[in-house]
Amino acid sequence: DAGVTQSPTHLIKTRGQHVTLRCSPISGHKSVSWYQQVLGQGPQFIFQYYEKEERGRGNFPDRFSARQFPNYSSELNVNALLLGDSALYLCASRHTPKDRGRMETQYFGPGTRLLVL
Amino acid sequence: LAKTTQPISMDSYEGQEVNITCSHNNIATNDYITWYQQFPSQGPRFIIQGYKTKVTNEVASLFIPADRKSSTLSLPRVSLSDTAVYYCLVGEEDKIIFGKGTRLHILP
Repeated sequence: DAGVTQSPTHLIKTRGQHVTLRCSPISGHKSVSWYQQVLGQGPQFIFQYYEKEERGRGNFPDRFSARQFPNYSSELNVNALLLGDSALYLCASRHTPKDRGRMETQYFGPGTRLLVL
Repeated sequence: LAKTTQPISMDSYEGQEVNITCSHNNIATNDYITWYQQFPSQGPRFIIQGYKTKVTNEVASLFIPADRKSSTLSLPRVSLSDTAVYYCLVGEEDKIIFGKGTRLHILP
Protein backbone atom coordinates (compact mmCIF):
# COMPACT_ATOMS: atom_id res chain seq x y z
CA ASP A 1 0.00 0.00 0.00
CA ALA A 2 1.23 3.49 -0.77
CA GLY A 3 2.00 5.68 2.17
CA VAL A 4 1.42 9.39 2.44
CA THR A 5 2.81 11.14 -0.60
CA GLN A 6 3.80 14.77 -0.91
CA SER A 7 4.79 16.94 -3.81
CA PRO A 8 7.05 18.51 -4.70
CA THR A 9 9.95 17.04 -2.75
CA HIS A 10 11.98 20.23 -2.92
CA LEU A 11 11.12 23.79 -3.80
CA ILE A 12 13.00 27.07 -4.01
CA LYS A 13 11.11 30.37 -3.88
CA THR A 14 11.94 34.00 -3.31
CA ARG A 15 10.55 36.32 -0.67
CA GLY A 16 7.06 37.56 -1.40
CA GLN A 17 6.13 34.66 -3.64
CA HIS A 18 3.35 32.18 -3.06
CA VAL A 19 3.70 28.41 -2.73
CA THR A 20 1.31 25.46 -2.87
CA LEU A 21 2.25 22.13 -1.37
CA ARG A 22 0.28 18.97 -2.00
CA CYS A 23 -0.45 15.86 0.02
CA SER A 24 -2.20 12.57 -0.71
CA PRO A 25 -3.16 10.59 2.38
CA ILE A 26 -3.10 6.85 2.78
CA SER A 27 -6.08 5.27 1.08
CA GLY A 28 -9.02 5.25 3.45
CA HIS A 29 -7.65 7.99 5.69
CA LYS A 30 -9.94 10.97 5.94
CA SER A 31 -7.90 13.25 8.18
CA VAL A 32 -4.88 15.23 7.05
CA SER A 33 -2.63 17.40 9.18
CA TRP A 34 0.16 19.77 8.19
CA TYR A 35 3.32 20.50 10.15
CA GLN A 36 6.25 22.84 9.70
CA GLN A 37 9.66 21.65 10.84
CA VAL A 38 12.47 24.12 11.03
CA LEU A 39 15.98 22.69 11.13
CA GLY A 40 16.83 21.42 14.60
CA GLN A 41 13.30 21.71 15.96
CA GLY A 42 10.38 19.35 16.28
CA PRO A 43 7.45 19.57 13.86
CA GLN A 44 5.02 22.40 14.62
CA PHE A 45 1.33 21.83 14.00
CA ILE A 46 -0.24 24.08 11.35
CA PHE A 47 -3.63 22.61 10.40
CA GLN A 48 -5.82 19.56 10.65
CA TYR A 49 -8.57 18.78 8.16
CA TYR A 50 -11.22 16.10 8.31
CA GLU A 51 -13.94 15.56 5.74
CA LYS A 52 -12.93 18.82 4.05
CA GLU A 53 -13.42 20.88 7.19
CA GLU A 54 -10.78 22.53 9.31
CA ARG A 55 -10.65 20.79 12.68
CA GLY A 56 -7.62 22.45 14.20
CA ARG A 57 -5.24 25.33 13.64
CA GLY A 58 -1.86 26.03 15.13
CA ASN A 59 -0.26 29.36 15.90
CA PHE A 60 0.55 30.41 12.35
CA PRO A 61 -0.27 33.69 10.55
CA ASP A 62 -3.09 34.04 8.06
CA ARG A 63 -0.57 33.78 5.24
CA PHE A 64 -0.91 30.04 5.81
CA SER A 65 -4.06 28.39 4.53
CA ALA A 66 -5.10 24.91 3.53
CA ARG A 67 -7.93 22.93 2.11
CA GLN A 68 -8.99 19.35 1.69
CA PHE A 69 -10.58 17.93 -1.41
CA PRO A 70 -13.38 15.34 -1.80
CA ASN A 71 -10.75 12.63 -2.38
CA TYR A 72 -9.18 13.65 0.98
CA SER A 73 -6.01 15.01 -0.59
CA SER A 74 -4.94 18.38 0.69
CA GLU A 75 -3.10 21.54 -0.26
CA LEU A 76 -1.15 23.90 1.96
CA ASN A 77 -0.79 27.42 0.66
CA VAL A 78 1.62 30.01 1.93
CA ASN A 79 1.43 33.60 0.69
CA ALA A 80 3.98 36.40 0.86
CA LEU A 81 6.81 34.06 1.69
CA LEU A 82 9.38 35.10 4.26
CA LEU A 83 12.89 33.79 4.78
CA GLY A 84 11.67 32.22 8.01
CA ASP A 85 9.24 30.04 6.11
CA SER A 86 12.15 27.91 4.96
CA ALA A 87 11.47 24.52 6.47
CA LEU A 88 10.43 20.94 5.92
CA TYR A 89 6.66 20.80 5.53
CA LEU A 90 5.17 17.53 6.64
CA CYS A 91 1.79 16.07 5.93
CA ALA A 92 0.31 13.33 8.08
CA SER A 93 -2.84 11.30 7.67
CA ARG A 94 -4.96 9.16 9.95
CA HIS A 95 -8.29 7.45 9.66
CA THR A 96 -10.33 9.70 11.93
CA PRO A 97 -9.74 12.74 14.09
CA LYS A 98 -8.26 11.76 17.38
CA ASP A 99 -10.65 11.10 20.19
CA ARG A 100 -10.01 13.20 23.25
CA GLY A 101 -6.78 12.07 24.84
CA ARG A 102 -6.19 9.08 22.61
CA MET A 103 -3.63 9.88 20.00
CA GLU A 104 -4.49 7.78 16.98
CA THR A 105 -1.38 6.94 15.04
CA GLN A 106 -0.48 9.48 12.40
CA TYR A 107 1.40 8.45 9.31
CA PHE A 108 3.77 11.07 8.00
CA GLY A 109 4.86 11.69 4.46
CA PRO A 110 8.46 12.40 3.45
CA GLY A 111 7.88 16.13 3.45
CA THR A 112 8.48 19.01 1.10
CA ARG A 113 11.64 20.98 1.74
CA LEU A 114 11.01 24.63 1.02
CA LEU A 115 13.84 27.12 0.71
CA VAL A 116 12.99 30.81 0.57
CA LEU A 117 15.72 33.10 -0.75
CA LEU B 1 -1.42 21.80 27.39
CA ALA B 2 0.59 18.78 28.46
CA LYS B 3 4.21 19.76 27.89
CA THR B 4 6.94 17.16 27.68
CA THR B 5 10.60 17.36 28.65
CA GLN B 6 13.25 15.03 27.27
CA PRO B 7 17.06 15.00 27.27
CA ILE B 8 18.39 16.89 24.28
CA SER B 9 20.82 14.16 23.27
CA MET B 10 22.13 10.74 24.22
CA ASP B 11 24.97 8.53 23.06
CA SER B 12 25.13 4.76 23.27
CA TYR B 13 26.94 1.83 21.71
CA GLU B 14 25.71 -0.87 19.41
CA GLY B 15 24.18 -3.80 21.24
CA GLN B 16 23.31 -1.79 24.33
CA GLU B 17 19.84 -1.17 25.70
CA VAL B 18 18.86 2.49 25.54
CA ASN B 19 16.33 4.13 27.82
CA ILE B 20 14.98 7.60 27.05
CA THR B 21 12.89 9.20 29.76
CA CYS B 22 10.27 11.85 29.18
CA SER B 23 8.57 13.91 31.85
CA HIS B 24 4.99 15.15 31.46
CA ASN B 25 3.97 16.47 34.86
CA ASN B 26 0.60 17.89 33.81
CA ILE B 27 -0.64 14.97 31.77
CA ALA B 28 -4.43 14.81 31.65
CA THR B 29 -6.41 11.83 32.85
CA ASN B 30 -7.40 10.72 29.36
CA ASP B 31 -4.09 11.44 27.65
CA TYR B 32 -2.05 8.70 26.04
CA ILE B 33 1.72 8.83 25.62
CA THR B 34 3.17 8.27 22.17
CA TRP B 35 6.70 8.05 20.86
CA TYR B 36 7.85 8.81 17.33
CA GLN B 37 11.21 8.30 15.62
CA GLN B 38 12.55 10.62 12.94
CA PHE B 39 15.50 10.15 10.61
CA PRO B 40 17.03 13.17 8.84
CA SER B 41 14.90 14.53 6.00
CA GLN B 42 12.10 12.06 6.68
CA GLY B 43 8.75 12.34 8.40
CA PRO B 44 8.36 11.01 11.95
CA ARG B 45 7.47 7.34 12.32
CA PHE B 46 5.25 5.92 15.05
CA ILE B 47 7.07 3.65 17.51
CA ILE B 48 4.80 2.92 20.43
CA GLN B 49 1.88 4.23 22.46
CA GLY B 50 0.66 3.54 25.98
CA TYR B 51 -1.58 4.72 28.77
CA LYS B 52 -0.19 3.06 31.89
CA THR B 53 2.15 0.31 33.15
CA LYS B 54 4.06 -1.36 30.32
CA VAL B 55 3.57 -1.75 26.60
CA THR B 56 5.83 -3.80 24.35
CA ASN B 57 5.95 -4.26 20.61
CA GLU B 58 8.47 -5.65 18.16
CA VAL B 59 10.74 -2.61 18.31
CA ALA B 60 10.45 -1.07 21.77
CA SER B 61 8.95 -1.09 25.25
CA LEU B 62 7.25 1.77 27.01
CA PHE B 63 7.25 1.98 30.79
CA ILE B 64 4.77 4.29 32.51
CA PRO B 65 4.72 4.60 36.32
CA ALA B 66 1.50 4.74 38.29
CA ASP B 67 1.47 8.55 38.55
CA ARG B 68 1.97 8.83 34.74
CA LYS B 69 4.07 11.93 35.16
CA SER B 70 6.89 10.37 33.18
CA SER B 71 7.51 7.59 30.73
CA THR B 72 10.55 5.68 29.51
CA LEU B 73 11.10 4.40 26.01
CA SER B 74 13.35 1.36 26.00
CA LEU B 75 15.15 0.24 22.85
CA PRO B 76 16.74 -3.19 23.21
CA ARG B 77 20.12 -3.95 21.61
CA VAL B 78 20.40 -0.81 19.50
CA SER B 79 22.19 -0.71 16.18
CA LEU B 80 23.69 2.11 14.14
CA SER B 81 20.41 2.42 12.27
CA ASP B 82 18.67 3.50 15.47
CA THR B 83 20.51 6.82 15.30
CA ALA B 84 17.62 9.28 15.05
CA VAL B 85 15.58 11.85 16.94
CA TYR B 86 12.97 10.43 19.30
CA TYR B 87 9.91 12.44 20.26
CA CYS B 88 7.67 11.90 23.26
CA LEU B 89 4.15 13.24 22.79
CA VAL B 90 1.13 13.49 25.04
CA GLY B 91 -2.38 13.56 23.62
CA GLU B 92 -4.10 16.79 22.77
CA GLU B 93 -7.59 17.11 21.44
CA ASP B 94 -7.00 18.69 18.08
CA LYS B 95 -3.28 18.94 17.63
CA ILE B 96 -0.09 17.20 18.47
CA ILE B 97 2.68 19.13 20.16
CA PHE B 98 6.17 18.01 19.37
CA GLY B 99 9.03 19.12 21.58
CA LYS B 100 12.62 19.20 20.42
CA GLY B 101 13.02 15.48 20.95
CA THR B 102 16.05 13.47 21.99
CA ARG B 103 18.85 13.09 19.47
CA LEU B 104 20.13 9.53 19.94
CA HIS B 105 23.54 8.76 18.51
CA ILE B 106 24.63 5.13 18.35
CA LEU B 107 28.35 4.51 18.22
CA PRO B 108 30.04 1.42 16.76
